[in-house]
Amino acid sequence: DTAVSQTPKYLVTQMGNDKSIKCEQNLGHDTMYWYKQDSKKFLKIMFSYNNKELIINETVPNRFSPKSPDKAHLNLHINSLELGDSAVYFCASSQGTDYEQYFGPGTRLTVT
Amino acid sequence: TQLLEQSPQFLSIQEGENLTVYCNSSSVFSSLQWYRQEPGEGPVLLVTVVTGGEVKKLKRLTFQFGDARKDSSLHITAAQPGDTGLYLCAGEADRGSTLGRLYFGRGTQLTVWP
Repeated sequence: DTAVSQTPKYLVTQMGNDKSIKCEQNLGHDTMYWYKQDSKKFLKIMFSYNNKELIINETVPNRFSPKSPDKAHLNLHINSLELGDSAVYFCASSQGTDYEQYFGPGTRLTVT
Repeated sequence: TQLLEQSPQFLSIQEGENLTVYCNSSSVFSSLQWYRQEPGEGPVLLVTVVTGGEVKKLKRLTFQFGDARKDSSLHITAAQPGDTGLYLCAGEADRGSTLGRLYFGRGTQLTVWP
């Protein structure tokens, strides 16, 4: 059974478009995260939600808007996509903020 | 920003060799985690160390947290091709105040040749 799943796995789009990535976890966790991994494999947190409430909002352009409809889901919407947005985006979840995080398989976004 | 420096960045060895990967910082961390990431997949947690000086073993992998909780090492004995992957260390600065924020190192890409 998949614990943390993301859709789509691959996303190729043109500059200026708006796209969304979805994440779901079936672990019963109450905290979910979005990370961005650049071409050099550097993984950096973008957002975190605890019980559907935004608790971490790193220095991310406001073109990125996360949304958590319930504790099991965390989506990421990106407006006006730019070339620099090309990366792999990972969703993760944990039970509380002091416990281990479980990562999804990633969404590879390519902006042309 | 809490920076974690990992070394070496790349490591290519023969099956059966031993290796050590280092994760260093000038900052103190309340806990440190090691992950392994394979191509096309997300990082998978290997271990969490919390106490300064703590040593944890996971089969052929030995993890150590520095006494001052600023550094950690991962030692693999008799490496196998299945150990190939990107090893990431991640630190949590201060439990209870950083809201789960993990600071990742840039990773060590390990390749073990048969």
